[in-house]
Amino acid sequence: LAKTTQPISMDSYEGQEVNITCSHNNIATNDYITWYQQFPSQGPRFIIQGYKTKVTNEVASLFIPADRKSSTLSLPRVSLSDTAVYYCLVGDGRNAGNMLTFGGGTRLMVKP
Amino acid sequence: EPEVTQTPSHQVTQMGQEVILRCVPISNHLYFYWYRQILGQKVEFLVSFYNNEISEKSEIFDDQFSVERPDGSNFTLKIRSTKLEDSAMYFCASSWTGEYGYTFGSGTRLTVV
Repeated sequence: LAKTTQPISMDSYEGQEVNITCSHNNIATNDYITWYQQFPSQGPRFIIQGYKTKVTNEVASLFIPADRKSSTLSLPRVSLSDTAVYYCLVGDGRNAGNMLTFGGGTRLMVKP
Repeated sequence: EPEVTQTPSHQVTQMGQEVILRCVPISNHLYFYWYRQILGQKVEFLVSFYNNEISEKSEIFDDQFSVERPDGSNFTLKIRSTKLEDSAMYFCASSWTGEYGYTFGSGTRLTVV
């Protein structure tokens, strides 16, 4: 599995856009990039997944440059409830049976 | 939105006792998993289950652990002879074939005393 590197923590204020970048220099051709969110004492929650360029859903956007060696999760106009740990995962998106390997994630703190 | 349901939410057990953690995955999902997270640490993979058998397991998932799908809806994790270091949040997850996004339950907090 490709190793991922992301900031340990980030601070933001309500209403701001937050961008969390993840590096994955050894990403393989078959790999997809997936982001999860985890609140304290809860299970991780799937946010978004992408392979290349840009993906957007009702929660976030995911930007992936052409070389795919990094990706950026963008959260528009964050609120206090977006305070959580965000995980970037890279793996073969075609095989739903694959285990997920979580790193340390990015702890996002949204302040009033 | 469909949910993965885990029971109990919190279990306290004495060292050496057996515990069974229960999960009801999303009904049309085919793959089932157990993960754990020791307080303050990473989420760790334990085991994946497909077509009524283990498809992959980690080094953590030794002979102390077992999984079962006793009927068409439940998925259980049994921990025999619990140890203090088994204290953690245990998360069940399920996924639909071809879809990489997994749905996790809210977890069972296991405390071994």
